[in-house]
Amino acid sequence: DAGVIQSPRHEVTEMGQEVTLRCKPISGHDYLFWYRQTMMRGLELLIYFNNNVPIDDSGMPEDRFSAKMPNASFSTLKIQPSEPRDSAVYFCASSLARPLAGELFFGEGSRLTVL
Amino acid sequence: TQLLEQSPQFLSIQEGENLTVYCNSSSVFSSLQWYRQEPGEGPVLLVTVVTGGEVKKLKRLTFQFGDARKDSSLHITAAQPGDTGLYLCAAKNTGTASKLTFGTGTRLQVTL
Repeated sequence: DAGVIQSPRHEVTEMGQEVTLRCKPISGHDYLFWYRQTMMRGLELLIYFNNNVPIDDSGMPEDRFSAKMPNASFSTLKIQPSEPRDSAVYFCASSLARPLAGELFFGEGSRLTVL
Repeated sequence: TQLLEQSPQFLSIQEGENLTVYCNSSSVFSSLQWYRQEPGEGPVLLVTVVTGGEVKKLKRLTFQFGDARKDSSLHITAAQPGDTGLYLCAAKNTGTASKLTFGTGTRLQVTL
């Protein structure tokens, strides 16, 4: 069974450029989460979806960040324009049930470097 | 926003030693999970604890949930180099939908 698939694995871009990160959750999972990980701030929840609907985007840092989930098998996280402080590893995770007692399955992450 | 503090932040030990990692908060949790993350990969679930006072064992790893469901510990017996990684606790407190918050992490290195 394929796990959560993220692309690209690595992205290096210049300040001001648009960045799009992609995620394919595990088939059948109805929750999808976007996290950002840095040394300073650890793993932060940015936004999550239930059945393709955004439920909580309070972790999205600012208007430069947006996320969509047009269908159950695909989500994007877009940063426009990107800034050096956006450099981080971005993880997508999916879950079959509410993670009260359920498990989050993470992708391998997209490492973003903004110069 | 609940804050999950883990201690210690870093731990470097030799193979065969025992260690304990802590996860603390002022909030009450409905459940708590522990994940391990290796370099270049996403976190992987180790265990979920739900009941106050609950103890779960996974081979050489022992997880305990505090009686008041505000804290948890992870004890590793006879650590091995394969235990090296970032250990993260994650919790959801009552009444906050499905939002899972991660702790600050403990980075463990086990050397030969």
